[in-house]
Amino acid sequence: DAGVIQSPRHEVTEMGQEVTLRCKPISGHNSLFWYRQTMMRGLELLIYFNNNVPIDDSGMPEDRFSAKMPNASFSTLKIQPSEPRDSAVYFCASSRRDSQLSYEQYFGPGTRLTVT
Amino acid sequence: LAKTTQPISMDSYEGQEVNITCSHNNIATNDYITWYQQFPSQGPRFIIQGYKTKVTNEVASLFIPADRKSSTLSLPRVSLSDTAVYYCLPGTGGFKTIFGAGTRLFVKA
Repeated sequence: DAGVIQSPRHEVTEMGQEVTLRCKPISGHNSLFWYRQTMMRGLELLIYFNNNVPIDDSGMPEDRFSAKMPNASFSTLKIQPSEPRDSAVYFCASSRRDSQLSYEQYFGPGTRLTVT
Repeated sequence: LAKTTQPISMDSYEGQEVNITCSHNNIATNDYITWYQQFPSQGPRFIIQGYKTKVTNEVASLFIPADRKSSTLSLPRVSLSDTAVYYCLPGTGGFKTIFGAGTRLFVKA
Protein backbone atom coordinates (compact mmCIF):
# COMPACT_ATOMS: atom_id res chain seq x y z
CA ASP A 1 0.00 0.00 0.00
CA ALA A 2 1.22 3.50 -0.78
CA GLY A 3 0.21 4.85 2.59
CA VAL A 4 -1.62 8.12 3.11
CA ILE A 5 -1.01 10.45 0.20
CA GLN A 6 -1.08 14.21 0.55
CA SER A 7 -0.72 16.91 -2.03
CA PRO A 8 0.84 19.28 -2.52
CA ARG A 9 3.88 18.65 -0.33
CA HIS A 10 4.71 22.33 -0.25
CA GLU A 11 2.51 25.32 -0.87
CA VAL A 12 3.50 28.96 -0.84
CA THR A 13 0.74 31.48 -1.31
CA GLU A 14 -0.08 35.08 -0.65
CA MET A 15 -2.39 36.28 2.05
CA GLY A 16 -5.99 36.31 0.89
CA GLN A 17 -5.64 33.47 -1.57
CA GLU A 18 -7.58 30.22 -1.36
CA VAL A 19 -5.61 27.12 -0.44
CA THR A 20 -6.78 23.55 -0.95
CA LEU A 21 -4.96 20.63 0.60
CA ARG A 22 -5.71 17.12 -0.55
CA CYS A 23 -5.55 13.72 1.08
CA LYS A 24 -6.01 10.15 -0.07
CA PRO A 25 -6.37 7.79 2.89
CA ILE A 26 -5.23 4.19 2.97
CA SER A 27 -7.66 1.94 1.15
CA GLY A 28 -10.02 0.23 3.58
CA HIS A 29 -9.62 2.80 6.31
CA ASN A 30 -12.87 4.39 7.44
CA SER A 31 -11.61 7.22 9.67
CA LEU A 32 -9.75 10.29 8.46
CA PHE A 33 -8.12 13.05 10.47
CA TRP A 34 -6.72 16.47 9.64
CA TYR A 35 -4.04 17.93 11.92
CA ARG A 36 -2.03 21.12 11.96
CA GLN A 37 1.44 21.37 13.49
CA THR A 38 3.36 24.48 14.46
CA MET A 39 6.25 25.07 16.82
CA MET A 40 4.09 27.20 19.08
CA ARG A 41 0.97 25.04 19.29
CA GLY A 42 2.27 21.56 18.57
CA LEU A 43 0.08 19.00 16.82
CA GLU A 44 -3.59 20.01 16.82
CA LEU A 45 -6.52 17.93 15.65
CA LEU A 46 -8.66 20.04 13.33
CA ILE A 47 -11.41 17.66 12.24
CA TYR A 48 -12.08 13.97 11.85
CA PHE A 49 -14.42 11.92 9.71
CA ASN A 50 -15.84 8.46 10.17
CA ASN A 51 -17.31 6.74 7.13
CA ASN A 52 -17.05 10.05 5.24
CA VAL A 53 -19.13 11.91 7.83
CA PRO A 54 -17.58 14.73 9.87
CA ILE A 55 -17.77 13.71 13.51
CA ASP A 56 -16.07 16.58 15.30
CA ASP A 57 -14.86 19.83 13.76
CA SER A 58 -14.38 21.66 17.03
CA GLY A 59 -10.68 21.97 16.30
CA MET A 60 -11.22 23.98 13.12
CA PRO A 61 -9.87 27.40 14.06
CA GLU A 62 -12.22 29.64 12.11
CA ASP A 63 -14.89 29.72 9.46
CA ARG A 64 -12.12 30.29 6.95
CA PHE A 65 -11.34 26.59 7.32
CA SER A 66 -13.53 23.91 5.79
CA ALA A 67 -13.07 20.20 5.13
CA LYS A 68 -14.91 17.73 2.97
CA MET A 69 -14.82 14.03 2.35
CA PRO A 70 -16.93 13.32 -0.75
CA ASN A 71 -15.97 9.64 -0.80
CA ALA A 72 -13.91 7.10 1.07
CA SER A 73 -10.77 7.77 -0.92
CA PHE A 74 -10.51 11.54 -0.92
CA SER A 75 -10.65 14.51 1.42
CA THR A 76 -9.87 18.19 1.15
CA LEU A 77 -9.03 20.91 3.62
CA LYS A 78 -9.66 24.39 2.32
CA ILE A 79 -8.59 27.73 3.72
CA GLN A 80 -10.26 30.78 2.27
CA PRO A 81 -8.96 33.41 2.62
CA SER A 82 -5.55 32.36 3.87
CA GLU A 83 -3.58 34.39 6.41
CA PRO A 84 0.09 34.32 7.46
CA ARG A 85 -0.84 32.72 10.80
CA ASP A 86 -2.13 29.71 8.89
CA SER A 87 1.45 28.84 8.00
CA ALA A 88 2.06 25.34 9.37
CA VAL A 89 2.48 21.72 8.40
CA TYR A 90 -0.87 20.08 7.78
CA PHE A 91 -1.08 16.33 8.26
CA CYS A 92 -3.75 13.93 7.15
CA ALA A 93 -4.07 10.57 8.90
CA SER A 94 -6.34 7.58 8.49
CA SER A 95 -7.26 4.57 10.56
CA ARG A 96 -9.51 1.57 10.48
CA ARG A 97 -12.01 1.79 13.26
CA ASP A 98 -13.19 -1.75 13.72
CA SER A 99 -12.25 -2.42 17.31
CA GLN A 100 -10.86 -0.73 20.36
CA LEU A 101 -7.42 -1.67 19.14
CA SER A 102 -7.82 0.44 16.05
CA TYR A 103 -6.20 3.42 17.66
CA GLU A 104 -3.33 3.28 15.23
CA GLN A 105 -3.40 6.23 12.90
CA TYR A 106 -1.29 6.30 9.77
CA PHE A 107 -0.03 9.75 8.92
CA GLY A 108 0.77 11.20 5.55
CA PRO A 109 3.97 13.12 4.81
CA GLY A 110 2.28 16.45 5.42
CA THR A 111 1.83 19.65 3.45
CA ARG A 112 4.03 22.55 4.45
CA LEU A 113 1.99 25.70 3.93
CA THR A 114 3.58 29.13 3.88
CA VAL A 115 1.33 32.17 3.61
CA THR A 116 3.16 35.40 2.92
CA LEU B 1 -9.86 12.78 27.56
CA ALA B 2 -7.08 11.95 29.99
CA LYS B 3 -4.54 14.70 30.50
CA THR B 4 -0.93 13.55 30.15
CA THR B 5 2.36 14.68 31.63
CA GLN B 6 5.66 13.70 30.05
CA PRO B 7 9.20 15.03 30.42
CA ILE B 8 9.81 17.75 27.86
CA SER B 9 13.17 16.36 26.81
CA MET B 10 15.65 13.57 27.51
CA ASP B 11 19.21 12.92 26.45
CA SER B 12 20.81 9.53 26.03
CA TYR B 13 23.81 7.86 24.43
CA GLU B 14 23.87 5.20 21.78
CA GLY B 15 23.45 1.70 23.13
CA GLN B 16 21.65 2.74 26.29
CA GLU B 17 18.14 1.78 27.30
CA VAL B 18 15.76 4.73 27.46
CA ASN B 19 12.61 4.82 29.55
CA ILE B 20 10.05 7.55 29.03
CA THR B 21 7.28 7.76 31.59
CA CYS B 22 3.92 9.35 30.99
CA SER B 23 1.45 10.22 33.74
CA HIS B 24 -2.27 9.98 32.99
CA ASN B 25 -3.98 10.14 36.35
CA ASN B 26 -7.53 10.46 35.05
CA ILE B 27 -7.37 7.67 32.51
CA ALA B 28 -10.77 6.15 31.79
CA THR B 29 -11.58 2.48 32.19
CA ASN B 30 -11.94 1.99 28.44
CA ASP B 31 -8.82 3.89 27.47
CA TYR B 32 -5.90 2.19 25.84
CA ILE B 33 -2.46 3.80 25.95
CA THR B 34 -0.77 4.43 22.65
CA TRP B 35 2.67 5.80 21.91
CA TYR B 36 3.73 7.55 18.73
CA GLN B 37 7.14 8.61 17.43
CA GLN B 38 7.74 11.63 15.23
CA PHE B 39 10.91 12.34 13.31
CA PRO B 40 11.63 15.85 12.00
CA SER B 41 9.68 16.70 8.86
CA GLN B 42 7.55 13.56 9.12
CA GLY B 43 4.16 12.67 10.52
CA PRO B 44 3.87 10.71 13.76
CA ARG B 45 4.27 6.95 13.55
CA PHE B 46 2.57 4.38 15.78
CA ILE B 47 5.02 2.54 18.04
CA ILE B 48 3.06 0.48 20.53
CA GLN B 49 -0.25 0.19 22.32
CA GLY B 50 -1.38 -1.51 25.52
CA TYR B 51 -4.06 -1.68 28.17
CA LYS B 52 -2.28 -3.09 31.20
CA THR B 53 0.85 -5.00 32.30
CA LYS B 54 3.50 -5.32 29.63
CA VAL B 55 3.47 -5.28 25.86
CA THR B 56 6.51 -5.83 23.68
CA ASN B 57 7.07 -5.58 19.96
CA GLU B 58 10.10 -5.37 17.72
CA VAL B 59 10.55 -1.68 18.44
CA ALA B 60 9.77 -1.12 22.12
CA SER B 61 8.19 -2.33 25.32
CA LEU B 62 5.35 -0.69 27.17
CA PHE B 63 4.94 -1.11 30.92
CA ILE B 64 1.63 -0.23 32.54
CA PRO B 65 1.18 -0.64 36.31
CA ALA B 66 -2.00 -2.05 37.81
CA ASP B 67 -3.52 1.36 38.56
CA ARG B 68 -2.87 2.46 34.96
CA LYS B 69 -2.18 6.02 36.05
CA SER B 70 1.12 5.99 34.22
CA SER B 71 2.92 4.12 31.50
CA THR B 72 6.56 3.73 30.55
CA LEU B 73 7.87 3.36 27.04
CA SER B 74 11.15 1.46 27.00
CA LEU B 75 13.51 1.68 24.02
CA PRO B 76 16.30 -0.90 24.23
CA ARG B 77 19.77 0.05 23.02
CA VAL B 78 18.91 3.31 21.31
CA SER B 79 20.74 4.52 18.25
CA LEU B 80 21.15 7.97 16.72
CA SER B 81 18.13 7.25 14.53
CA ASP B 82 15.90 7.05 17.60
CA THR B 83 16.25 10.81 18.06
CA ALA B 84 12.64 11.94 17.80
CA VAL B 85 9.65 13.23 19.72
CA TYR B 86 7.63 10.58 21.57
CA TYR B 87 3.96 11.11 22.36
CA CYS B 88 1.82 9.27 24.89
CA LEU B 89 -1.92 9.13 24.10
CA PRO B 90 -4.51 7.54 26.35
CA GLY B 91 -7.79 7.11 24.56
CA THR B 92 -10.25 4.82 22.87
CA GLY B 93 -10.95 3.71 19.38
CA GLY B 94 -9.04 6.18 17.26
CA PHE B 95 -11.40 9.07 17.29
CA LYS B 96 -10.66 12.24 19.18
CA THR B 97 -6.92 12.33 19.70
CA ILE B 98 -4.98 14.88 21.66
CA PHE B 99 -1.25 15.02 21.10
CA GLY B 100 0.48 16.78 23.96
CA ALA B 101 3.91 18.34 23.73
CA GLY B 102 5.59 14.94 23.80
CA THR B 103 9.11 14.08 24.94
CA ARG B 104 11.99 15.14 22.76
CA LEU B 105 14.63 12.40 22.91
CA PHE B 106 18.11 13.27 21.76
CA VAL B 107 20.54 10.38 21.31
CA LYS B 108 24.21 11.25 21.28
CA ALA B 109 27.09 9.29 19.84
